[in-house]
Amino acid sequence: EVQLVESGGGLVKPGGSLRLSCATSGFIFSTYTMTWVRQAPGKGLEWVSSISSFSDYIYYADSVKGRFTISRDNAKNSLYLQMNSLRGEDTAQYYCARGPGTGYYDYWGQGTLVTVSS
Amino acid sequence: SYVLTQPPSASVAPGKTARITCGGNDIGSKSVHWYQQKPGQAPVLVIYLDSDRPSGIPERFSGSNSGNTATLTISRVEAGDEADYYCQVWNSNSDPSGVFGGGTKLTVL
Repeated sequence: EVQLVESGGGLVKPGGSLRLSCATSGFIFSTYTMTWVRQAPGKGLEWVSSISSFSDYIYYADSVKGRFTISRDNAKNSLYLQMNSLRGEDTAQYYCARGPGTGYYDYWGQGTLVTVSS
Repeated sequence: SYVLTQPPSASVAPGKTARITCGGNDIGSKSVHWYQQKPGQAPVLVIYLDSDRPSGIPERFSGSNSGNTATLTISRVEAGDEADYYCQVWNSNSDPSGVFGGGTKLTVL
């Protein structure tokens, strides 16, 4: 059974940092592109960042470029999102999602909530 | 950047057919994917590559894509289909990125 479990969310002050993790199981992690998608409270889905299977292709949304860093550890079947210089508009549920390349996302985690507030 | 436009809301009676549109410039040249999201839950893929259905998704869900509009069609709508629906593409230009539509809230009357 494919499972994705996010962790690391919480309350952080503006300008602070947070590192999200996504632990996966049930599939060959090293063969899939992985993606972070976020959803602000009461709002729609927003693509954040994607990383190819061996980290040779990495893409970011303009809204997080220069502040967020996506990475993965194929030995640990885990995906990460380092978030720096956090702003109020980064407040959202953050989902990790699996995708067979730069296309669709066929499995999603349940999300972890990040709240940026003083 | 590439923009996908969805109507904010749609409503349909049980047993009828719901059609949710997703507009984008020459979207017919891209692969469109659709997600269903119920309150408090993670999104679920219901259509990928314009018209393919993942295993476990009822045949009542179908998709099409041509010109500047992609459409998600839900036949014989049930109360359990009430949810938010999002279209999505991968924009493969000089600065590749994922793009979601704004979402459509489907209400079953």
